[in-house]
Amino acid sequence: DVVLTQTPPTLLATIGQSVSISCRSSQSLLHSNGNTYLNWLLQRTGQSPQPLIYLVSKLESGVPNRFSGSGSGTDFTLKISGVEAEDLGVYYCMQFTHYPDTFGAGTKLELK
Amino acid sequence: EVQLVESGGGLVQPGRSMKLSCAASGFTFSNYGMAWVRQAPTKGLEWVATISYDGSSTYYRDSVKGRFTISRDNAKSTLYLQMNSLRSEDTATYYCTRGFAYWGQGTLVTVSS
Repeated sequence: DVVLTQTPPTLLATIGQSVSISCRSSQSLLHSNGNTYLNWLLQRTGQSPQPLIYLVSKLESGVPNRFSGSGSGTDFTLKISGVEAEDLGVYYCMQFTHYPDTFGAGTKLELK
Repeated sequence: EVQLVESGGGLVQPGRSMKLSCAASGFTFSNYGMAWVRQAPTKGLEWVATISYDGSSTYYRDSVKGRFTISRDNAKSTLYLQMNSLRSEDTATYYCTRGFAYWGQGTLVTVSS
């Protein structure tokens, strides 16, 4: 199975601070069809996961543009440019290039 | 508006069975593959099973193969997960999802004697 390693496990930030989360894959996530099926999700406390970014860098509808995704191959990053209170929670990267679909262990974003 | 509403969770003894349902609305259910993802208490997300739009193809994680069955009724816009021979390690909140872009609120399954 593809292993996704997220760092850091916990991220302390102040409101307005810019932060980044890394997601490294144990193998390339480039599919033979040319797409890279790497998504980012946010799970707020007590809520279901909600999608943020798909195909590495495409924002889901309604997601603020302070969120951005980048990367290729095995190395991916989620950046939040100016953390807001509503951004707190656990961020997960996930892939479905390779069977089975797998998730990273999560990065918890908390207020400093 | 896309809505996914899970039901059927609860407390069940080890070795017993349980069937989860996910009622879908707000989109043409028969056009989309669907999946179940679970989350053990205080843990991360774990894919469980996927079914194609027409039910002809199904996929399972190794730990549930032979015990769980994913199915769908397109006439009722409902997804199912039949879980047999349940183990304590199956204790989790089970979410149905469409393409990981839409998620239900989850239903908690607790396997305990």
